[in-house]
Amino acid sequence: GENVEQHPSTLSVQEGDSAVIKCTYSDSASNYFPWYKQELGKGPQLIIDIRSNVGEKKDQRIAVTLNKTAKHFSLHITETQPEDSAVYFCAASMGPSSGGSYIPTFGRGTSLIVHP
Amino acid sequence: DAEITQSPRHKITETGRQVTLACHQTWNHNNMFWYRQDLGHGLRLIHYSYGVQDTNKGEVSDGYSVSRSNTEDLPLTLESAASSQTSVYFCASSEGGLGDQSTEAFFGQGTRLTVV
Repeated sequence: GENVEQHPSTLSVQEGDSAVIKCTYSDSASNYFPWYKQELGKGPQLIIDIRSNVGEKKDQRIAVTLNKTAKHFSLHITETQPEDSAVYFCAASMGPSSGGSYIPTFGRGTSLIVHP
Repeated sequence: DAEITQSPRHKITETGRQVTLACHQTWNHNNMFWYRQDLGHGLRLIHYSYGVQDTNKGEVSDGYSVSRSNTEDLPLTLESAASSQTSVYFCASSEGGLGDQSTEAFFGQGTRLTVV
């Protein structure tokens, strides 16, 4: 099955700095790569996603890049703010025709701490 | 607004007891799934379902069962609770494949289960 590795496990930055979280996946058939943010005491919530036919996607201060050849994708947060502090998860999935189940396989998460 | 709800939010049970965690979604999603979240392990898939009467085992299914008698509900049952099943449990749902493409997963708020 799919295996997703995520680094770093903890990331501490100053307010206004950029933050980058990196993930690698094992199955080249994976074609959907969502990123989730989990605040304390809550369930994960989608913040951005990218499909395999796209190399980069941006939404205000958040961007995701995908390198299919190297099988890695990254989350970039610019101008970080204290409210960005949370646990971030990357994930990968594929449909049944590729041997998948639509169900995302998650990385182990990155705890992002933004210091005011 | 459509939503996904889990109950109870917190549960303490004794070793050996049967426990059922409820999950209800109002999106009419076909896919529903259960994850457990443990420190250092991220989110691990327990069971998933593509629709009524369909259930499938995930990565960590031993000791757990699910049933899907309607579209809205996917209860998770711990047949005989063990201390190793102390965890935070998340239910999620997704619309299903668009063609062969995965779609966003929506998560509940989680159930914190303690087995003593």
